[in-house]
Amino acid sequence: GQQVQQSPASLVLQEGENAELQCNFSTSLNSMQWFYQRPGGSLVSLFYNPSGTKHSGRLTSTTVIKERRSSLHISSSQTTDSGTYLCALVSGGSNAKLTFGKGTKLSVKS
Amino acid sequence: DPKIIQKPKYLVAVTGSEKILICEQYLGHNAMYWYRQSAKKPLEFMFSYSYQKLMDNQTASSRFQPQSSKKNHLDLQITALKPDDSATYFCASSQAGQGYEQYFGPGTRLTVL
Repeated sequence: GQQVQQSPASLVLQEGENAELQCNFSTSLNSMQWFYQRPGGSLVSLFYNPSGTKHSGRLTSTTVIKERRSSLHISSSQTTDSGTYLCALVSGGSNAKLTFGKGTKLSVKS
Repeated sequence: DPKIIQKPKYLVAVTGSEKILICEQYLGHNAMYWYRQSAKKPLEFMFSYSYQKLMDNQTASSRFQPQSSKKNHLDLQITALKPDDSATYFCASSQAGQGYEQYFGPGTRLTVL
């Protein structure tokens, strides 16, 4: 079965609303990496988070290994936040590889 | 300036032909990777290289061959192309070893007719 499950699959917000994106994993991991995929396809790394909580501007990532979950919180959403958010389970030792979820497609309306 | 360069950005090929996708990184990293994203599947890992040596291969087909001519280069040769190979191919890099963030190139979108 799929090792990384993301929810929701899609989300529509009004500008200014907050969003909570979830990622659940079924195998052991070294870390979780969150990406933003622009509508044109390029990937931007948002967080590399092995455990605990990290902040970057309006974004917050929380990884709880015991509960096998990681979340991405977007506060005060803006139209420019629209795109696809991907979480990826980082596994392997020195041969690290990423196993991606299917993504959450976010649309922020003005 | 872009730190990971992939060439070409778009590529159209005919079934049965061979193509090489180029990747160069200027981040000083020693580990490089290839991933593929198709319409039918999430982004999936293909290969990892560390210090120019193949570390992991999750691609079932030998038609996909990575080539590392320099330590900051990892090209991907694809032979006997099939329509199912149509996808965006992403190159990534990181510091070698455990616990390092991977950075992605802009991708090469391959269409096989």
